[in-house]
Amino acid sequence: DGGITQSPKYLFRKEGQNVTLSCEQNLNHDAMYWYRQDPGQGLRLIYYSQIVNDFQKGDIAEGYSVSREKKESFPLTVTSAQKNPTAFYLCASTSRGYMNTEAFFGQGTRLTVV
Amino acid sequence: GQQLNQSPQSMFIQEGEDVSMNCTSSSIFNTWLWYKQDPGEGPVLLIALYKAGELTSNGRLTAQFGITRKDSFLNISASIPSDVGIYFCAGLYTGANSKLTFGKGITLSVRP
Repeated sequence: DGGITQSPKYLFRKEGQNVTLSCEQNLNHDAMYWYRQDPGQGLRLIYYSQIVNDFQKGDIAEGYSVSREKKESFPLTVTSAQKNPTAFYLCASTSRGYMNTEAFFGQGTRLTVV
Repeated sequence: GQQLNQSPQSMFIQEGEDVSMNCTSSSIFNTWLWYKQDPGEGPVLLIALYKAGELTSNGRLTAQFGITRKDSFLNISASIPSDVGIYFCAGLYTGANSKLTFGKGITLSVRP
């Protein structure tokens, strides 16, 4: 089945530790995105990547880092510099075509700092 | 960063009623997408729109791409309890530097 997979679904981190969230897609999509969701805040863009080995900061990139070494994978690292990392993180992907673009989401990862 | 305008933040309706939500932007898009999110899950794509004026249905859902390309609406007819959730609109202008832009979402509650 084609789709986009995030893992793990739940993640606990101690303060001061970095943690990496996985996002993999087998849709052959070019673009991938990371969003953070807090109650009442909607979806806020952290980073996005249009193509392998290239990515851009979104609206709330501070304290996060990404890599895009393979088309299928776009991992997000939440660093210790992120002051309030507890949130629900969503990964999405889209094709880069000009026609009939669709965007799909993973199931999300809930990160809790303990 | 830019966000699409969705309001109100919450809507409460009676089971069986129709409900309409709209989404507006100051920028034009060539793609509008509507999503539903259940608690603790990722948003699921409901309807995709690609042409100004386009009206598309998916079961009890109907969505339209506004003529100005700056707005879209979603209508749910004969609501049922499982329609409860958060409804997001998203706009996309496809091209070399395209980026998905989302509204803040509308939380829909359906009273039995």
